[in-house]
Amino acid sequence: EPEVTQTPSHQVTQMGQEVILRCVPISNHLYFYWYRQILGQKVEFLVSFYNNEISEKSEIFDDQFSVERPDGSNFTLKIRSTKLEDSAMYFCASSEDRAYGYTFGSGTRLTVV
Amino acid sequence: AQSVSQHNHHVILSEAASLELGCNYSYGGTVNLFWYVQYPGQHLQLLLKYFSGDPLVKGIKGFEAEFIKSKFSFNLRKPSVQWSDTAEYFCAVRVNYGGSQGNLIFGKGTKLSVKP
Repeated sequence: EPEVTQTPSHQVTQMGQEVILRCVPISNHLYFYWYRQILGQKVEFLVSFYNNEISEKSEIFDDQFSVERPDGSNFTLKIRSTKLEDSAMYFCASSEDRAYGYTFGSGTRLTVV
Repeated sequence: AQSVSQHNHHVILSEAASLELGCNYSYGGTVNLFWYVQYPGQHLQLLLKYFSGDPLVKGIKGFEAEFIKSKFSFNLRKPSVQWSDTAEYFCAVRVNYGGSQGNLIFGKGTKLSVKP
């Protein structure tokens, strides 16, 4: 069964550093998403991406965040200057059509120290 | 703003017990409804989904859910749980805005622990 692949599985970074979280969506999917889950809290929507542009973003997705699909296969989330409160599990997801369910990756645990 | 409520934070059951996890949402229009499961150390996996039609939806691993529009609910059920069902369960809702789809909104999750 096709999978959404995320790397790395765990990243530790110092406050103020830039991080890039990588995702390889399912190849024929057209819609891409990032969600995050702070420990003990609910999964929160960050951003959706379609046709090489952001289609929707949440209040969490401020100027410190950006997404990119640099080469037609990868879908990256960049946090420009990490804060302690950015520590969370970040999930990438993709779907063939917005009407369908999403397929999630296994997540990247980001720890900001 | 739309919201999803899962009333049980942690449910502990013995094997073979029946399970019902509650989920309520706050939007009055057309919605798509989902249950996801997250096994320890793994990613979110889709258990089942409701888009339209029969409000009783059957998913993988013996799970089912019933959409009750009048109660804004989509409770997850399983008649007999197994130890391997120990996981966290997330209800999610997606709102349909007259043909365009909103994004998934998740509940806080319910942790299920099944004692062997």
